[in-house]
Amino acid sequence: AQSVTQPDIHITVSEGASLELRCNYSYGATPYLFWYVQSPGQGLQLLLKYFSGDTLVQGIKGFEAEFKRSQSSFNLRKPSVHWSDAAEYFCAVGAQGNTGFQKLVFGTGTRLLVSP
Amino acid sequence: DAGVIQSPRHEVTEMGQEVTLRCKPISGHNSLFWYRQTMMRGLELLIYFNNNVPIDDSGMPEDRFSAKMPNASFSTLKIQPSEPRDSAVYFCASSDRAPSSYNEQFFGPGTRLTVL
Repeated sequence: AQSVTQPDIHITVSEGASLELRCNYSYGATPYLFWYVQSPGQGLQLLLKYFSGDTLVQGIKGFEAEFKRSQSSFNLRKPSVHWSDAAEYFCAVGAQGNTGFQKLVFGTGTRLLVSP
Repeated sequence: DAGVIQSPRHEVTEMGQEVTLRCKPISGHNSLFWYRQTMMRGLELLIYFNNNVPIDDSGMPEDRFSAKMPNASFSTLKIQPSEPRDSAVYFCASSDRAPSSYNEQFFGPGTRLTVL
């Protein structure tokens, strides 16, 4: 079955420092991969997605992610973190449901804290 | 566009009571998803609709849960009777493509349900 693992529950980064959030997936075929961000009290917002092509994907708010098939990973990066980036980040993989339709399987999330 | 609208934003009820959560998807979107988010289980897909028809309800936890989509602009998720373990944040999301192909899901702000 398709699954997503985000090994870090919490990460604290100093403002201005670089960020990398880890995501590993399990899927038999070429995966469709997503990163979403959830600010406190808000719904999820799509940061970026990978369907095919260039393995380095650019997203909104200065985020990027790199798909590495050999490592089954899709890590999220940002070169310089801002205090407003403090939020919870979810990695997700597109998976085939029982009816043949596609659905998203989410990881458990990584909560990012930004220190001054 | 106002985005996905959910109501109420917060609901506190007593065990045994009926709870109805409401969702208005983005106009023109033909796929609608209900998710539940808890600390223990993360973000789980409960059910999704395409063109108002339930496609996959395998995520619905038990018969106490039911969902309807009487038209393209409205959906409900009902819990009857409610139990304390149903306490969670319930998200509605919509997409403008059938779940046979991947596309961004737009999330509402969620309904925080507390069952006492």
